[in-house]
Amino acid sequence: EPEVTQTPSHQVTQMGQEVILRCVPISNHLYFYWYRQILGQKVEFLVSFYNNEISEKSEIFDDQFSVERPDGSNFTLKIRSTKLEDSAMYFCASGDPSYEQYFGPGTRLTVT
Amino acid sequence: GIQVEQSPPDLILQEGANSTLRCNFSDSVNNLQWFHQNPWGQLINLFYIPSGTKQNGRLSATTVATERYSLLYISSSQTTDSGVYFCAIDNYGQNFVFGPGTRLSVLP
Repeated sequence: EPEVTQTPSHQVTQMGQEVILRCVPISNHLYFYWYRQILGQKVEFLVSFYNNEISEKSEIFDDQFSVERPDGSNFTLKIRSTKLEDSAMYFCASGDPSYEQYFGPGTRLTVT
Repeated sequence: GIQVEQSPPDLILQEGANSTLRCNFSDSVNNLQWFHQNPWGQLINLFYIPSGTKQNGRLSATTVATERYSLLYISSSQTTDSGVYFCAIDNYGQNFVFGPGTRLSVLP
């Protein structure tokens, strides 16, 4: 069964550094999403991406964040200058035409 | 925006018991999914169920969209069912709003 993959599984970075989280969505899906979950809290929507552009973003997704689909298979989330409060689990999801979403295993980001 | 509530917030069961988890939402939905977050943090997709009833082994789910709730049933619970169960709602915005979750602990 096809699945969404994410790399790395765990990333440790220092405050102020740039990080890029990578995702490979399911190949025939058209909708792509990033969510995050701060430890012990609920999952929050960050951004959705369709037809090579952002379709919706939350108030969390400020100028420090960007997304890209550089080569037609990967889908990346970049945080330009990480802050302590960016420490969280980041989930990528891809959606089929019925809008059912399939989640990747997550990347745990730790900012020190 | 749409509000999503889940009950109970915590549930402790003995192995073999049955349980019902509830998700209430405040508006019409385009999509509703139930997830199990395992101890490693992974979100496992249980059901895509914007309406109707589905069953998968010991798990089943029912969504009554007109009354704005969904139920997840777990029968003959096992220790491996422990974790947090989330419902997530899309009300035509294409992104999910997650509920706060129900933390289930199944004791041997």
